Amino acid sequence: DSGVTQTPKHLITATGQRVTLRCSPRSGDLSVYWYQQSLDQGLQFLIQYYNGEERAKGNILERFSAQQFPDLHSELNLSSLELGDSALYFCASSVEPGQGLEKLFFGSGTQLSVL
Amino acid sequence: GQQVMQIPQYQHVQEGEDFTTYCNSSTTLSNIQWYKQRPGGHPVFLIQLVKSGEVKKQKRLTFQFGEAKKNSSLHITATQTTDVGTYFCAGQRSSASKIIFGSGTRLSIRP
Repeated sequence: DSGVTQTPKHLITATGQRVTLRCSPRSGDLSVYWYQQSLDQGLQFLIQYYNGEERAKGNILERFSAQQFPDLHSELNLSSLELGDSALYFCASSVEPGQGLEKLFFGSGTQLSVL
Repeated sequence: GQQVMQIPQYQHVQEGEDFTTYCNSSTTLSNIQWYKQRPGGHPVFLIQLVKSGEVKKQKRLTFQFGEAKKNSSLHITATQTTDVGTYFCAGQRSSASKIIFGSGTRLSIRP
């Protein structure tokens, strides 16, 4: 158990819908990262937050948005869903970026299926 | 933008054979990390390399960071069935930049 909690584990929805994925980082970790993993693909970096502020952005679609709340949990919002958005979405946390010892702890992921 | 490439994409070996995966970055990295993802699981941190030419060992696993800090490798000696999974490298251009993952190498093993 990594200590990172992601809910829900599975999500099935239809095209055009909007969903919210939730992540609670490990206790004490200030930074949250979101990655997308499509079938048999690598981990595509979406976005990173540190202590409530956006820290870095990857190839995140405009239909996607995220935020980190004061209690440090994070939500990833996916809207106007398309079939191609079906993927495993991972959240990861680390203690503090920029210290040169950034080690990511991953949650179990949310499997999103868009039908 | 920053790219991290990894080869091979797949490797199927006989149990007991060695295995190596290679990682190459388009830019110089401040550090590189390796993760293992078991089938159906999530990536788990294995190790981080920071220094040019660094070599680290964990039992049967040997990790290397290139002199130019643009490439890295993971070598597993005498594979076992427990080594099955996908191995990812992940690099950072600076200690404060985003962590970019390679495409991964999926290792399968014939008992």
